[in-house]
This record gives sequence, structure tokens and C-alpha cells, in this order.
Amino acid sequence: AQSVSQHNHHVILSEAASLELGCNYSYGGTVNLFWYVQYPGQHLQLLLKYFSGDPLVKGIKGFEAEFIKSKFSFNLRKPSVQWSDTAEYFCAVTNTGGFKTIFGAGTRLFVKA
Amino acid sequence: DAGVIQSPRHEVTEMGQEVTLRCKPISGHNSLFWYRQTMMRGLELLIYFNNNVPIDDSGMPEDRFSAKMPNASFSTLKIQPSEPRDSAVYFCASSSQTGGETQYFGPGTRLLVL
Repeated sequence: AQSVSQHNHHVILSEAASLELGCNYSYGGTVNLFWYVQYPGQHLQLLLKYFSGDPLVKGIKGFEAEFIKSKFSFNLRKPSVQWSDTAEYFCAVTNTGGFKTIFGAGTRLFVKA
Repeated sequence: DAGVIQSPRHEVTEMGQEVTLRCKPISGHNSLFWYRQTMMRGLELLIYFNNNVPIDDSGMPEDRFSAKMPNASFSTLKIQPSEPRDSAVYFCASSSQTGGETQYFGPGTRLLVL
């Protein structure tokens, strides 16, 4: 069955700490990978995406993610988090050319000022 | 571009009442998705449309839920009769026709059923 697994449900960090959020997927065929962010009280918005090419993709606000095909992983990273990064982060997968996106359960990040 | 538009933004109703949520996708997008988000179950895909046709409604929880997309610029999600366990935030999202593309989410409708 198609699935997306996010390893951490809650993460608490201090400002300037480094961040890595894990994401593994189970999906047949070629995939498109996404990270979405949901700030408190707001809707989901795209953080970054991978369709093809360089497996290291850079998104907004200093975030990046690396697609490792052999590990079926797409982990999100940021070298130094800020208080404003407090949000919920969702990993998502779509099969290339398909329409249905599978979302992970989300990871709630809280950054202490 | 105005983005995905949802209405109402908040809805409070009593158990047993009919609730209708509305969505206007981004112009030019021909895929539309309805999601439900709760603390307990996270983000759940309820149904999605492509070119106004329902493609997969396996996420619709039960017959009390129905969705329509009469044209490319409008969709509704109806709950009849509503129950307290339907309380959630309902998001609509749209994406372009090529498939596998980024989904653009609306601001959501926060539903409370008393």
C-alpha cells in the first residue's frame, strides 16, 4: 500500500539549532516529492518539491531536502532554525503524472526563542 | 491570482443540520481536492476531482458526506445530517492538469458541530 511515514510527531528545538525531519515513502514507480508547511492557524503551503534532476532541492526560508532513492527517503533540513519556523511540516508523495497525493501524518516543530 | 477561495471560513451548527462548504479553485487548475484535518487523524483526503469528474471518493467517511463539482470553478462538500464528530477544518486544494503537481490549498473552513 502507498504510504508516507514521518518519524517524529513532535520536535522541540532552540533557536539556531539544526533541523532534520525524516520522511520515508512506499510508492511504486516514479514519484514527485513535496514538503508542505502549515503555520499556526494557516493553510498548508509548499515549502519545496522534487520532480527530477539534482536530488538536493532548496526551498524557501533556507530549507532543503535530499531525495535518496535507494532509501525511499526525502528528509527535510535547515542548518539554523528560527522561532518563526514553528509550524507543522508535512511530507507528501505523488506518483508522476498522477493526481492523488499521499500526505504523512505531519511533524509539529516548536522552536524556543 | 486570488488563490483557492473557500467559504464560509467558520461554521458553527447543531447536530442534525445540513452543512455546505464551498470552494473555488485557482483558474486554469482542473484537479480539485477536499481534505479534512483533525488533531486525532491528521490530514485526510476525502475526495478528488479531475476535469469536474470525481476520480476517487474512497476517503469520504460515510454516506452523510457528498461532493459535487458542477463546473471548473466551483465545488461543494455537503454533510447531511452533521454530527459532532464531523468537527474539523476542511481544506480545498487545486492543482494543474499535468498531474503530480503542487497543490494549492485554500484557507480552510473550520466546522464545529454542537
